[in-house]
Parts: sequence; structure tokens; C-alpha cells
Amino acid sequence: DAGVIQSPRHEVTEMGQEVTLRCKPISGHDYLFWYRQTMMRGLELLIYFNNNVPIDDSGMPEDRFSAKMPNASFSTLKIQPSEPRDSAVYFCATGAGEGNEQFFGPGTRLTVL
Amino acid sequence: GQQLNQSPQSMFIQEGEDVSMNCTSSSIFNTWLWYKQDPGEGPVLLIALYKAGELTSNGRLTAQFGITRKDSFLNISASIPSDVGIYFCAGYLYGQNFVFGPGTRLSVLP
Repeated sequence: DAGVIQSPRHEVTEMGQEVTLRCKPISGHDYLFWYRQTMMRGLELLIYFNNNVPIDDSGMPEDRFSAKMPNASFSTLKIQPSEPRDSAVYFCATGAGEGNEQFFGPGTRLTVL
Repeated sequence: GQQLNQSPQSMFIQEGEDVSMNCTSSSIFNTWLWYKQDPGEGPVLLIALYKAGELTSNGRLTAQFGITRKDSFLNISASIPSDVGIYFCAGYLYGQNFVFGPGTRLSVLP
């Protein structure tokens, strides 16, 4: 079975540009999480969805960040406009059921110049 | 909010040695997860623990859910070079989100 799929794996963009990160969850998993990982702050939960509905977006740093899950097979995290401090690795993780194991994708390494 | 502490922060060991690391919190948890992250990759789940006192093995890895529900331990026996990486613990309390520790960076010397 395919695991969590993320694209792109690497993204380099200039400050002010719009960035869209994509995630395809493991089939049948009803929870989807977006995390950001930096050396300084470690793994931070940005937002999570249950059955395609956003449940908790309190970790989204600013209004420049938005996430959608239009169906059970796809989610996006968008940053508009991007800033250099957004440079990080962004992970999507999915799980089946509340409190169950989360399975991570390979991540998208974002560099904003 | 809830926070997890992991110790040691980093460790250098000789190939073949056993490794012990732990994760502690001032809060109780219902679930503990242990992950390993290789450079440039996402965290990979190693072991999941769901019950206080539970001891679970996965090959050379053994993890325990502390009896106080505030800590967990991960042991690696007979380390090999591919054990190199960052090991994260994560704790979950009903109705909350998973909280991740800062990680233990393991280096294995040949």
C-alpha cells in the first residue's frame, strides 16, 4: 500500500510568492494533520482535519497560511504571501481514528528566499 | 500546555552497544508513540503503546509505557550503523492533540 504522498518534495521560491503544498493521505484514514518542522521549534502541529473537516487550526501561524481538504484523498496547505521565516520542512500525517498512530509523509522542504 | 522532554538530547555510541533513551512529562498521557527520522525523510513509526506499564518489542527495539503515565522509555539492543537518526516520542491525551518531544539524536560509531 502506498503511504502518505506529498508533493513537491522540495520547493524554492521568492518572498511574496504563493506556495501550495499537497498531500494524499493513506486510503481509509479519516484524520489528516499538517506539521511544520524547524531546528528551533521542532515539530509543530499547524492544523488537522477529521473526515475532511478542519477541527483545530490554532497552530496556523498567521492568516497567510490556509489549508483545505476538498475530499478524502487530497489536502493542500497554502502560504500566500510567503516569507523567509516560513522556510521549514512541512509534513502531512494521517491516522485512522482519534488518538491512533499517525503516519507521516516524506515532507516538503520549503525555502523562501 | 503539555510539553515533553527527551533525554539525552544526543548520544554517541559504539556499534554493538545497547541504547536507552526516555521521554518525560509533567502531564499524563493515554498513548505513547516512538518514531525514528532519517535525514531528509519523514518520521517513521517504531512502536505504539496504549496502556500504562505496557512493554512492547519490535525487533531490537523495546519500549515501555511508564506506570505513572508520565514517561516512556525506548531501548535499542546491539546497535548497528543504520540506527543513526533522530528518535522522537509523542504523547496523546484523550481530547487533546499529539505532543512531540524535541528528539534524541543518535550517532553510532563503527
